[in-house]
Amino acid sequence: ETGVTQTPRHLVMGMTNKKSLKCEQHLGHNAMYWYKQSAKKPLELMFVYSLEERVENNSVPSRFSPECPNSSHLFLHLHTLQPEDSALYLCASSQALAQGADTQYFGPGTRLTVL
Amino acid sequence: QKEVEQNSGPLSVPEGAIASLNCTYSDRGSQSFFWYRQYSGKSPELIMFIYSNGDKEDGRFTAQLNKASQYVSLLIRDSQPSDSATYLCAVILSGSARQLTFGSGTQLTVLP
Repeated sequence: ETGVTQTPRHLVMGMTNKKSLKCEQHLGHNAMYWYKQSAKKPLELMFVYSLEERVENNSVPSRFSPECPNSSHLFLHLHTLQPEDSALYLCASSQALAQGADTQYFGPGTRLTVL
Repeated sequence: QKEVEQNSGPLSVPEGAIASLNCTYSDRGSQSFFWYRQYSGKSPELIMFIYSNGDKEDGRFTAQLNKASQYVSLLIRDSQPSDSATYLCAVILSGSARQLTFGSGTQLTVLP
């Protein structure tokens, strides 16, 4: 595997379910990100992890819970979601939070539908 | 005012023409600028980044940055139908801990 991978690629869940999205980067990067992309809206940054520590939480509802066990893996745990949470969830990674090394590379995304 | 603004389009150009995509940003202290391409149903892929005023060329793509006027543009020469996609401008705003803020994207269609 190369680059940034995400599983599952598609997920349909009910509002009472609990599920997790997984992201893995094979680029040796040390910063990882979760984004949400809804139709007709810009990409929204949700969480940033640098060296496995969360450095940013952009006012994301608590029904989204991130976890970064090491610099290669990032999870997004989901519970009691709402239909408006249906979107494409993208993971990205970068080498570091510094100019010249801050280019982010995206995974293929998880298309989430909440019924 | 949006922090990063793009004309949503759609922008249509004939095959072989130059496509010009523009992006303005509100934060004068921004230092890093990126262009991503996103095909329908796919994730964004990096085309170019630019940090300094002026032009930066990579193959058929040229990024232009003018910090005084707070705009960054992307020119695509000899446009091909395969260039048809949504182009996302992203900026690292000052004081943002080096996080990307994206524009809403410009949809480009290259007509054969």
